[in-house]
Amino acid sequence: DAKTTQPPSMDCAEGRAANLPCNHSTISGNEYVYWYRQIHSQGPQYIIHGLKNNETNEMASLIITEDRKSSTLILPHATLRDTAVYYCIVRGLYMDSNYQLIWGAGTKLIIKP
Amino acid sequence: GAVVSQHPSRVICKSGTSVKIECRSLDFQATTMFWYRQFPKQSLMLMATSNEGSKATYEQGVEKDKFLINHASLTLSTLTVTSAHPEDSSFYICSARDGGRGAETQYFGPGTRLLVL
Repeated sequence: DAKTTQPPSMDCAEGRAANLPCNHSTISGNEYVYWYRQIHSQGPQYIIHGLKNNETNEMASLIITEDRKSSTLILPHATLRDTAVYYCIVRGLYMDSNYQLIWGAGTKLIIKP
Repeated sequence: GAVVSQHPSRVICKSGTSVKIECRSLDFQATTMFWYRQFPKQSLMLMATSNEGSKATYEQGVEKDKFLINHASLTLSTLTVTSAHPEDSSFYICSARDGGRGAETQYFGPGTRLLVL
């Protein structure tokens, strides 16, 4: 079973920031938070990951709470092409027993014009 | 980001035939590749983990004699669906582990849609 909880769907207006929450209250000390997205009929696309600190790259920002029990993915200026299912996944390091990516249902984000 | 390709992107075959799907890491060496299957409106399910030069590790319920995996080089893994049947129709996706960027990140291919008639 997935170790994360996400809302099943969200809407966001084009040009606005999209904030996608994720709860991972049972996260353990060696587990990272990863975000992927899957656009219809395509393979998943890596977005960002983090351990404790907030992270930012060209695609998004990841805000992790101090207790690490939840996080938020931020797409700063959403476009129509950001419409996809977004997956929040926690996993350990390679060769750890918790290394596998376990996919939940994700959040279906719809960007509206 | 790292690029992973798959070929073919879609294939239609007759029941009983075998289908080979290739997965390549284009700009990095992948000692480990993963094969997933995704049925309509469902999440990805891991089928097997493939390490270069050794036998693949299959998830529970996945028949290793039906889904043959070969990982002969650091940039290529193949999945062969043997004696395919209509129930094998699905979206097959590979991923490759890039441990060289310090991210321990899996990058995914675009997927192969298999339809068995």
